[in-house]
Amino acid sequence: RKEVEQDPGPFNVPEGATVAFNCTYSNSASQSFFWYRQDCRKEPKLLMSVYSSGNEDGRFTAQLNRASQYISLLIRDSKLSDSATYLCVVSNNNDMRFGAGTRLTVKP
Amino acid sequence: NAGVMQNPRHLVRRRGQEARLRCSPMKGHSHVYWYRQLPEEGLKFMVYLQKENIIDESGMPKERFSAEFPKEGPSILRIQQVVRGDSAAYFCASSPSGGGAGYTFGSGTRLTVV
Repeated sequence: RKEVEQDPGPFNVPEGATVAFNCTYSNSASQSFFWYRQDCRKEPKLLMSVYSSGNEDGRFTAQLNRASQYISLLIRDSKLSDSATYLCVVSNNNDMRFGAGTRLTVKP
Repeated sequence: NAGVMQNPRHLVRRRGQEARLRCSPMKGHSHVYWYRQLPEEGLKFMVYLQKENIIDESGMPKERFSAEFPKEGPSILRIQQVVRGDSAAYFCASSPSGGGAGYTFGSGTRLTVV
């Protein structure tokens, strides 16, 4: 089983749609959780941290379920500029493990 | 405040040559991580280093690959006797204290083996 698993997609959605990505992780001792965004042929950039209580940043909402070892990202009112690959990231003991990413394409 | 600097941005090597990839972490960051990304695939962890120490090299291939982070100068990822399968983007990240939201990536080095 992979350390971090994501649905690879692709997700093709129209502008304004709501889209949700899921991620599961295998190491129950994992301590920190993040979503990163990677544009084509660019480096990954931090989108947001994920907290047990859930957190929201504008149109983006992240949720963590430690019991199920599950992380989610919800994007509301999607924009063309949201098109990218979204990486689920799990951290334990000072190093980060990345999922393979979910590709999102938002179309006009 | 320069970010994580990687060079070269693009590197072309013939099969059997050596490739040296350099990474200068952000100022104040003492933790460096190397990842490899094959075309159309996700980031794969290779190695985690602090100054003069390899902390975790569980993702490094056993042969031909090595990494260092000397007391002075950048971190170096070295690939000896490159093969076509080594063609990939190699990303370096640094953090001030190990993991967490302070993790910042460089722009990567794209290695092409011909």
